[in-house]
Amino acid sequence: DVKVTQSSRYLVKRTGEKVFLECVQDMDHENMFWYRQDPGLGLRLIYFSYDVKMKEKGDIPEGYSVSREKKERFSLILESASNNQTSMYLCASSPRQGRNTEAFFGQGTRLTVV
Amino acid sequence: DQQVKQNSPSLSVQEGRISILNCDYTNSMFDYFLWYKKYPAEGPTFLISISSIKDKNEDGRFTVFLNKSAKHLSLHIVPSQPGDSAVYFCAASVTSGTYKYIFGTGTRLKVLA
Repeated sequence: DVKVTQSSRYLVKRTGEKVFLECVQDMDHENMFWYRQDPGLGLRLIYFSYDVKMKEKGDIPEGYSVSREKKERFSLILESASNNQTSMYLCASSPRQGRNTEAFFGQGTRLTVV
Repeated sequence: DQQVKQNSPSLSVQEGRISILNCDYTNSMFDYFLWYKKYPAEGPTFLISISSIKDKNEDGRFTVFLNKSAKHLSLHIVPSQPGDSAVYFCAASVTSGTYKYIFGTGTRLKVLA
């Protein structure tokens, strides 16, 4: 059974803190993604990675960075957390490009920045 | 610039009737489309997809229709059940080049018993 696991379901962090959100997949997928979900805005792509150490900016990369040192792990980093980064964060993975296949999502991390 | 749009934020349907969720896109390069279902505090789960070489794909109670000339797709759920109450997202991707999924804003479906 395919699995994408996010390290935390709920996080509360203070403004200015450096925050790490971890995601691990066990499907040997090449592609991994970070989205955030906000009411009325849907799922917006922050960053994605199509291979180890490779990354591309999504639609809203400002204030975030990512790390992919191993194929199975994709980390999202909030360099200095701000209130407007309070959101639901969703990690996903999918197989190599060029194939008609879906993305598999983790359970999400609800981050609150206070 | 929203490339994938779901113009109805919410929809209410009686149990047993048909639910129709709509999605429009602007990028003619999209060639693969997906629907996801999401419950609160959970990650989205894949529902059904369609390639641009088809105009219809069916899986049990769920059917997706694609109208490429109108850049429009729809999800039909027949018959609707209370357990179908969730937020539904459509997504689109280009299967060549950099492969990423662009999502719409979602439609909250409520199926009334």
